[in-house]
Amino acid sequence: AAGVIQSPRHLIKEKRETATLKCYPIPRHDTVYWYQQGPGQDPQFLISFYEKMQSDKGSIPDRFSAQQFSDYHSELNMSSLELGDSALYFCASSSRDIGYEQYFGPGTRLTVT
Amino acid sequence: ELKVEQNPLFLSMQEGKNYTIYCNYSTTSDRLYWYRQDPGKSLESLFVLLSNGAVKQEGRLMASLDTKARLSTLHITAAVHDLSATYFCAARDDKIIFGKGTRLHILP
Repeated sequence: AAGVIQSPRHLIKEKRETATLKCYPIPRHDTVYWYQQGPGQDPQFLISFYEKMQSDKGSIPDRFSAQQFSDYHSELNMSSLELGDSALYFCASSSRDIGYEQYFGPGTRLTVT
Repeated sequence: ELKVEQNPLFLSMQEGKNYTIYCNYSTTSDRLYWYRQDPGKSLESLFVLLSNGAVKQEGRLMASLDTKARLSTLHITAAVHDLSATYFCAARDDKIIFGKGTRLHILP
């Protein structure tokens, strides 16, 4: 069965650079969530989209932006990267039809040097 | 502001024993999630609880929700080593807030 795809899996950037993370949800899932997990930290919810519109907003810094496209894939754009942005970034997809259960991608490990 | 408290944060238990992880949340929430995470891995969704009195079971894990008490529990029956992992609960109002996680270590 198709799973959530995230790309890239690993990314190394320098401070002040920009990064774009991509998430491809499971087909027919209409909701995408983004999470950040720093080393040894609990996950932090960043933002979610339902039917291409932002639905919930968590602790997403102003330097970050995200959107969901017409094919339901989502991108997280991160600018002016800081050392503290080094983390695992997870994407999950879901649908009301499956009781909002979330299916997670493998994550993108971002390292900012 | 929604806050989520989970306890215990660490739990070491013998195989075959039963135990419960508790998740309290501070304000009205329309969804309660339970996740499992193995070291260095992504999150795995275990349960989504939507209504008061909801109970879901999968194998040796059972989750329940009491919205009046703002409490969810994850009960582990006859624990086995493979259940060793970190378990997170999370609640949702207009954002999803995680608890600090329960690191579960099951001794053979």
